[in-house]
Amino acid sequence: AQSVTQLDSQVPVFEEAPVELRCNYSSSVSVYLFWYVQYPNQGLQLLLKYLSGSTLVKGINGFEAEFNKSQTSFHLRKPSVHISDTAEYFCAVSDRNFNKFYFGSGTKLNVKP
Amino acid sequence: DTAVSQTPKYLVTQMGNDKSIKCEQNLGHDTMYWYKQDSKKFLKIMFSYNNKELIINETVPNRFSPKSPDKAHLNLHINSLELGDSAVYFCASSPPPQETQYFGPGTRLLVL
Repeated sequence: AQSVTQLDSQVPVFEEAPVELRCNYSSSVSVYLFWYVQYPNQGLQLLLKYLSGSTLVKGINGFEAEFNKSQTSFHLRKPSVHISDTAEYFCAVSDRNFNKFYFGSGTKLNVKP
Repeated sequence: DTAVSQTPKYLVTQMGNDKSIKCEQNLGHDTMYWYKQDSKKFLKIMFSYNNKELIINETVPNRFSPKSPDKAHLNLHINSLELGDSAVYFCASSPPPQETQYFGPGTRLLVL
């Protein structure tokens, strides 16, 4: 079975500052990794995904994430955040068949002016 | 233009009642899902359907019964509602190979 841990429930940051949202996973098998964003009162939207290839994955809205197999991590980063990035961010893993997705508990990013 | 829609958006009801939540996607996807997001924001898969057939049922009480009349719809019926059913329920769909999911806006269910 897989599980996902998002270590920070809330991350406050000032506008234009860099941010890193942490995600660690545990799995006995190879997995695929995802980051989703949830804006207030909306459903989740895919930010980026790692399936194979380069361990540095670029997504929408200037976000990127790095897959680190040895540390079983998939941290999300953005070099300069905007107020509009204020949202909840979810890390997820799936098995190789995409039959099951396991989500973390989310990290609320609060960007302050 | 809404890709994945859910109705109702909010649902407040009494314990013991039966209620349904509807989900429709106009993306032409074969696979649809129901997720439950609890008060701690944990998002957990409940059901997965592919072309109207049940693929995954994640130890959900049998008070929850999904129904897929066609591949564009996946409705969730809940019998004998309990306080612990209060949550946000998300519908999602995905195209082959199911790596990307498209979520609806959620239905906020409050059981009193």
